[in-house]
Order: sequence, then C-alpha cells, then structure tokens
Amino acid sequence: NAGVTQTPKFQVLKTGQSMTLQCAQDMNHNSMYWYRQDPGMGLRLIYYSASEGTTDKGEVPNGYNVSRLNKREFSLRLESAAPSQTSVYFCASRDRGPEQYFGPGTRLTVT
Amino acid sequence: EDKVVQSPLSLVVHEGDTVTLNCSYEVTNFRSLLWYKQEKKAPTFLFMLTSSGIEKKSGRLSSILDKKELSSILNITATQTGDSAIYLCAVAPINAGGTSYGKLTFGQGTILTVHP
Repeated sequence: NAGVTQTPKFQVLKTGQSMTLQCAQDMNHNSMYWYRQDPGMGLRLIYYSASEGTTDKGEVPNGYNVSRLNKREFSLRLESAAPSQTSVYFCASRDRGPEQYFGPGTRLTVT
Repeated sequence: EDKVVQSPLSLVVHEGDTVTLNCSYEVTNFRSLLWYKQEKKAPTFLFMLTSSGIEKKSGRLSSILDKKELSSILNITATQTGDSAIYLCAVAPINAGGTSYGKLTFGQGTILTVHP
C-alpha cells in the first residue's frame, strides 16, 4: 500500500515553460487535493476534486489547471510557469472523514 | 472566509522541556480541528478533535479543543530531538446538509526546534 505518490520529486523550469505534476493514490479515496506550501504561509489549496469527474477551485487557482483522470489520479498543470510559482506542491486524498493523507511533495523552482 | 492562526510561529527548546502550541480559528459550520506534524516531507496526521471529542492524548502529545474560545492547544511533554518539525493546525467545516466535509483551512504552522 503506497498511499499517495507524487512525481517528480524535484523540477526546475524556466519562466514560460509548462509541466504537469502527477499524483496517484491507492486507498480508494473519493476526494483529492492539490496544495502549495510557501515559507510562513502553511498549506494553501489550489484545486480539489470531491469525487471522480468533478474539480473545483481552491484559494489560489490562478495559473494552474487540474485533471481528475480517474479515481486514483489527479494531475496539476502549469501552462506557463512564473517565478511566483516556485514552491513545494503537495497532493492529498481523503475518504469519508475530514483527515487528509499527503504525498511526499514536489519541489518546483521557476527561474 | 475561514481563518486559522497559530502561535508562536517558531519555538526553540532543549530536550526535556514541555511546549504548548496554540491554534485559534474562525470558521463557518465548524466540524473538526486537526493537528499535523511535518518533518522533512509530507504532513502526517496526529489528532482530530470534534465537538464530541475535545481532548486527545497519544504518548507525550496531547491536545485540547476549547469550543468557547475557538482554539486548541497541542502539548508536548519531555521533548526529544525527534519532535523537531513544523506543527500544522487545520479546521474542517461541514456543509449545510451535514453530509460531507468541506475543504481544510490550514494555519501558518509552528516551527519547533528541539536542541539536545
């Protein structure tokens, strides 16, 4: 049981480049989430998917898109990366309760 | 807009000390308050407190929810270097129909450093 997995672990992009962060969970959870974490700001929600086939914006969605590919997978896309998107990105999932389970994170640097 | 504030933002102690971390919140339709510990990578779930369960304890860690003051504390006794981490507090609302949980709102986190 791997839990929540994320790829890649690290990425460096130039301004304007695009990339997709991948997330998968094997716990059969319905809801999945993407967060970014910046120093002193805790975790901020970018997008979430309450169930397969639905996605909704969180607190900081600008510059990002998501796809809930199936129940297991939820990807985050940066179409045109900006230095302000330098951050650590976490994917999480949850079942029926409020507690969420997090992946190991992706450290993204945009130069 | 839901809001969670943690204090202090950082704390440095020596092994064996006892620490108290604070979390205050403003949330519509409060359902639960959660504590997470984040070491080098992913946040890991510690406790959940609800209106029907306002105190939790696990080993040297304990947490209390004060529904009147809209706050919670996380206590760590006899601290060890392995307790060094960011401690995150989050609140979960429940929707008007009471059928599902809303999004978590996180505080800024408290960075705890325990020196030998």
